[in-house]
Amino acid sequence: DIQMTQSPSSLSASVGDRVTITCRASQTISTFLNWYQQKPGKAPKLLLYGASSLQRGVPSRFSGSASGTDFTLTISSLQPEDFATYSCQQTYSYPWTFGQGTKVEIK
Amino acid sequence: EVQLVESGGGLVKPGESLRLSCEASGFTFSGYSMTWVRQAPGKGLEWVSYIGTSTFYIYYADSVKGRFTISRDNAQSSLFLQMNSVRPEDSAVYYCARVSDDLDYVSQDYWGQGTLVTVSS
Repeated sequence: DIQMTQSPSSLSASVGDRVTITCRASQTISTFLNWYQQKPGKAPKLLLYGASSLQRGVPSRFSGSASGTDFTLTISSLQPEDFATYSCQQTYSYPWTFGQGTKVEIK
Repeated sequence: EVQLVESGGGLVKPGESLRLSCEASGFTFSGYSMTWVRQAPGKGLEWVSYIGTSTFYIYYADSVKGRFTISRDNAQSSLFLQMNSVRPEDSAVYYCARVSDDLDYVSQDYWGQGTLVTVSS
């Protein structure tokens, strides 16, 4: 199985901050990497697919990049509605696997 | 508007069975692969199962293989998860999600609100 190692597990940031979350795959996954946002008691929401493609309706302050087996989610200027848990997921091979999640909290 | 509505969750004893349903609307259900994803209380997301537009393509997580069965009824725009021999570690919110894919990506673009399964004696 492909392991997805996500870091950090949590972070505290202020409104307006630039936030970066990283996911590392245990083997090559090409660009079959998705990012999801989840708020308490709600279903996950797709933010980015194919490592860097923005899902329709998602603000452009969210972006994604890839370098080999390392993937990054960047929020350029954190907004109050962005405080949530973010998870990466590989869909390169079965079983699909998620990172353990990063909780973004208010500083 | 795409909508996915899960149902069938509840309290069940270890070793018993449960059948989850996911009713889809707002899109041509037969044209999309579908998945189940679960989340134990306070834990991360865990992919459970996938079914293609053709039921020839079905995959399971090792943790549920041999116990859970995914199926679909395109005429009813519904997805199902038959859960047999449930264990306490199967306790989670179960989400159904639509699969969106192309040559260089596969994602889960729409999710239901989830249904809670609790396995306890």
